[in-house]
Amino acid sequence: ILNVEQSPQSLHVQEGDSTNFTCSFPSSNFYALHWYRWETAKSPEALFVMTLNGDEKKKGRISATLNTKEGYSYLYIKGSQPEDSATYLCAPLVDGGSEKLVFGKGTKLTVNP
Amino acid sequence: NAGVMQNPRHLVRRRGQEARLRCSPMKGHSHVYWYRQLPEEGLKFMVYLQKENIIDESGMPKERFSAEFPKEGPSILRIQQVVRGDSAAYFCASSPGDGSPLHFGNGTRLTVT
Repeated sequence: ILNVEQSPQSLHVQEGDSTNFTCSFPSSNFYALHWYRWETAKSPEALFVMTLNGDEKKKGRISATLNTKEGYSYLYIKGSQPEDSATYLCAPLVDGGSEKLVFGKGTKLTVNP
Repeated sequence: NAGVMQNPRHLVRRRGQEARLRCSPMKGHSHVYWYRQLPEEGLKFMVYLQKENIIDESGMPKERFSAEFPKEGPSILRIQQVVRGDSAAYFCASSPGDGSPLHFGNGTRLTVT
């Protein structure tokens, strides 16, 4: 069973604040890391798929970094807006595994106007 | 290109009845995943299928639950003799495989009365 930890569990920030949260995963047999954004009453949407150690990906004000040697990824949001309020989920893929995606419990972000 | 289609959106069953949840993947996607969202919890992996094959069902309860993805037609998640604890939102996702991001349906909310 893959042990995926996301922290913090929840986060409240003010509009305009920048914030970041963490996804920790087993570093052995790493293949890829997925990040998803899940708004209330909607379905999860893919943000990034990261594969290379040191990789950094960006989508608008959201970016993510990856450290496969130590088994963690950071998600950053610059200048948070109320529409960024969502639960952010990560899921690692293991090399040689079945390609199933097991998600962490997520970080629930609330951006107050 | 239509997205992942799940039906029904809402399903009400009495205890002891059967529930059938359908998922049509995106065109060209041969990998289907089923997840369950219980109240106050995240997305729990249930089963991962490719056409006509169950690849990983490690998240499926041992009894009453089954899934299939036939050569023709949608993937079906079947819950026999439902109990109140089965009440949850069930999400289906599809991908073309090889670590590509998942595309999620809008979910089926099952209520067992």
